[in-house]
Amino acid sequence: DAKTTQPPSMDCAEGRAANLPCNHSTISGNEYVYWYRQIHSQGPQYIIHGLKNNETNEMASLIITEDRKSSTLILPHATLRDTAVYYCIVRVWIGSFQKLVFGTGTRLLVSP
Amino acid sequence: NAGVTQTPKFQVLKTGQSMTLQCAQDMNHNSMYWYRQDPGMGLRLIYYSASEGTTDKGEVPNGYNVSRLNKREFSLRLESAAPSQTSVYFCAGTGQFADEQFFGPGTRLTVL
Repeated sequence: DAKTTQPPSMDCAEGRAANLPCNHSTISGNEYVYWYRQIHSQGPQYIIHGLKNNETNEMASLIITEDRKSSTLILPHATLRDTAVYYCIVRVWIGSFQKLVFGTGTRLLVSP
Repeated sequence: NAGVTQTPKFQVLKTGQSMTLQCAQDMNHNSMYWYRQDPGMGLRLIYYSASEGTTDKGEVPNGYNVSRLNKREFSLRLESAAPSQTSVYFCAGTGQFADEQFFGPGTRLTVL
């Protein structure tokens, strides 16, 4: 079962910041939050991940609340090519092995 | 460096037919995965292979078998295809300590 909850869709104007929320209230202390996106039914593409500190890379920023029950993915200057389904994922442990548990994602539409 | 490749890209089967979906990676991944994605849904894990020579069931293994032929190749077999197996199938790989799963382009399977 997915451990995350996301809004089904969001809109954003080109050039503006896109802020995608995610709830993961049952996350365990050693489980990471991952974000992937999927464009036009291609294979999902990794964006960013974090445990409890905020993270930033060339694609996005990840803000995780202090209680770790929710997070926000920020695309600072959305472009039309950022239109995609964004998945917030918890990486869970199965013994010594880790797996990603996908939810249904947020469909982000970036408009001119 | 092709990353993760999948063959075929498209396939149409009749109910009861069998086929094997092929996946290969040239990124020296230890772990490999097979997912399926139904329309409007997130990815669900079918089988995974934590390392060469081992395979384990994921969330939805019924009707499928897998073979980790060597470190590079991980195949998914449908012995007797059913319409419920119509889906897009994604293969992915990751290293033992890697933080990112790399996905292939997918195989679109229709079972009539």
